[in-house]
Amino acid sequence: DGGITQSPKYLFRKEGQNVTLSCEQNLNHDAMYWYRQDPGQGLRLIYYSQIVNDFQKGDIAEGYSVSREKKESFPLTVTSAQKNPTAFYLCASSIVQRGQGVLTEAFFGQGTRLTVV
Amino acid sequence: QKEVEQDPGPLSVPEGAIVSLNCTYSNSAFQYFMWYRQYSRKGPELLMYTYSSGNKEDGRFTAQVDKSSKYISLFIRDSQPSDSATYLCAMIGNTGGFKTIFGAGTRLFVKA
Repeated sequence: DGGITQSPKYLFRKEGQNVTLSCEQNLNHDAMYWYRQDPGQGLRLIYYSQIVNDFQKGDIAEGYSVSREKKESFPLTVTSAQKNPTAFYLCASSIVQRGQGVLTEAFFGQGTRLTVV
Repeated sequence: QKEVEQDPGPLSVPEGAIVSLNCTYSNSAFQYFMWYRQYSRKGPELLMYTYSSGNKEDGRFTAQVDKSSKYISLFIRDSQPSDSATYLCAMIGNTGGFKTIFGAGTRLFVKA
């Protein structure tokens, strides 16, 4: 089945530790995104990539890093510099939005819930 | 001020009620207006979208966009317990690249 897969579903991190969240898609989408979701705040964009080997910072990139070595993979590393990492992390992919009138739908993974212990 | 404002609720209604969910926005560059539905511990799924102004109907769901007031709405008729979820509005426009801006999401509970 085509789709977008995030792993693990739950992740626990100790203070000062880096952790990496996996995101894989087999939809042949060029664009991939990482969002963070906190209660009452909606989805906030961390990083996005529209092409392999290129990515841009979103609104809250500090303390996070990404790589895009393959079209189908966009892992997110939460570094020790991220002071409040406990949140629900969502990965999404889409065709790159161009033109007028036709929305390119973003498909989301099932999310990874990260908790600092 | 956030670019997109949405009341997080929660909103609790009896089964069969008409539900109205709303968002306001500040950036007139937005062109696509979307509603996502998110069940607990799941990723959001696109429910409906509208390009520019107007209404769009899909079964029990109607999306409305009023660009002059910078106000969008989602109406759910004959609400069902299975509609219980968080509904996020989202918008895209050429705001220095086509980037999606999400509202906070409104938690909806439909009681049987």
